[in-house]
Amino acid sequence: EDKVVQSPLSLVVHEGDTVTLNCSYEVTNFRSLLWYKQEKKAPTFLFMLTSSGIEKKSGRLSSILDKKELFSILNITATQTGDSAVYLCAGIDNAGNMLTFGGGTRLMVKP
Amino acid sequence: GAGVSQTPSNKVTEKGKYVELRCDPISGHTALYWYRQSLGQGPEFLIYFQGTGAADDSGLPNDRFFAVRPEGSVSTLKIQRTERGDSAVYLCASSWDRVADTQYFGPGTRLTVL
Repeated sequence: EDKVVQSPLSLVVHEGDTVTLNCSYEVTNFRSLLWYKQEKKAPTFLFMLTSSGIEKKSGRLSSILDKKELFSILNITATQTGDSAVYLCAGIDNAGNMLTFGGGTRLMVKP
Repeated sequence: GAGVSQTPSNKVTEKGKYVELRCDPISGHTALYWYRQSLGQGPEFLIYFQGTGAADDSGLPNDRFFAVRPEGSVSTLKIQRTERGDSAVYLCASSWDRVADTQYFGPGTRLTVL
């Protein structure tokens, strides 16, 4: 059975701090790993990572995939209160039928 | 353009009742997914449609759950004889096609079974 594990479960930081969120996966016939940000209900897409070692960046957020060690990290630099959310990672296999999600990391950024 | 929409946003029902949850995918997206998210957990896959047909329903927990997508666009998730354990947020997502495409999520329906 496919499995995705995220750590830490929760994190409290102050504005301006840098955070690293972790995601490890065991997905048979793995294709890609995706990161989402969930503030209220709808998870909003951040990144899709398919190739190992290639960093993807969007503003203060960046992410990288290691397909040998089966993990990914999401970095957020110069955090802002608006970054407070649950961050979800999910793996998808080559069949592409479903996302297998981790339990999420709840990030709280204090002013 | 418009994103994935879901109605109702909240649904409160009594144990044993029947409920229908609706999902309107992004226009042109052929793939549609239903997930269920319990408090403090990540979403869990329920069912996937490619066009009108349910291509994978392996995540449906039991035969009280059923979903349709008769015209290949709007989908309805139907739950019969609801139980308190069905209480969760039901999320719908769509993508252009299933392989290598990002799934975009709707805001979900929060179902509470009393």
